[in-house]
Amino acid sequence: DGGITQSPKYLFRKEGQNVTLSCEQNLNHDAMYWYRQDPGQGLRLIYYSQIVNDFQKGDIAEGYSVSREKKESFPLTVTSAQKNPTAFYLCASKVAGTGGGYTFGSGTRLTVV
Amino acid sequence: DQQVKQNSPSLSVQEGRISILNCDYTNSMFDYFLWYKKYPAEGPTFLISISSIKDKNEDGRFTVFLNKSAKHLSLHIVPSQPGDSAVYFCAASGISGGSNYKLTFGKGTLLTVNP
Repeated sequence: DGGITQSPKYLFRKEGQNVTLSCEQNLNHDAMYWYRQDPGQGLRLIYYSQIVNDFQKGDIAEGYSVSREKKESFPLTVTSAQKNPTAFYLCASKVAGTGGGYTFGSGTRLTVV
Repeated sequence: DQQVKQNSPSLSVQEGRISILNCDYTNSMFDYFLWYKKYPAEGPTFLISISSIKDKNEDGRFTVFLNKSAKHLSLHIVPSQPGDSAVYFCAASGISGGSNYKLTFGKGTLLTVNP
């Protein structure tokens, strides 16, 4: 079954620590995305990548970093510079060059303790 | 600046009746619109989409209407079922300097269908 997998489902982090969220897809999609969901805020774009070894900042990239070394993987690192990291993080992918929609992962809930 | 707006945070309807969810957009470069359904602690799932060359698209109980002149789209669910209770996100994309790869989402509307 093709799909997009995010892990872990729940993640706890102490203040001042970096943490990396995993996103893997076997859909052969070129483009991958990271969104953040907060209550009442909808989905806000953090970073996106249209091709391997290339990525762009989204609307709220500060305090986050990404890498795209493989087509299948697009990990997101939440750094200690992110002021309010507690949120629900969603990874998505799509076929590049189309106006179609995304396939989303099931999300990671990050809580800073 | 919010380019996709869902002005109703919540909507409650009776089972069997019609649910109408509304969405407005401001960016005239958007030419493809989508609706996603999301349950708590899960990723959104694609529901239905519409291209700007159409004004209506129907898929079973779900119909999306697009009014380009008003920059407005709506999702109709009829008949509504309790399993439709979820948050519905409106999203838009457009062909403009790479933005065709990005979806811009509204803040969502929580639909509750009462038995």
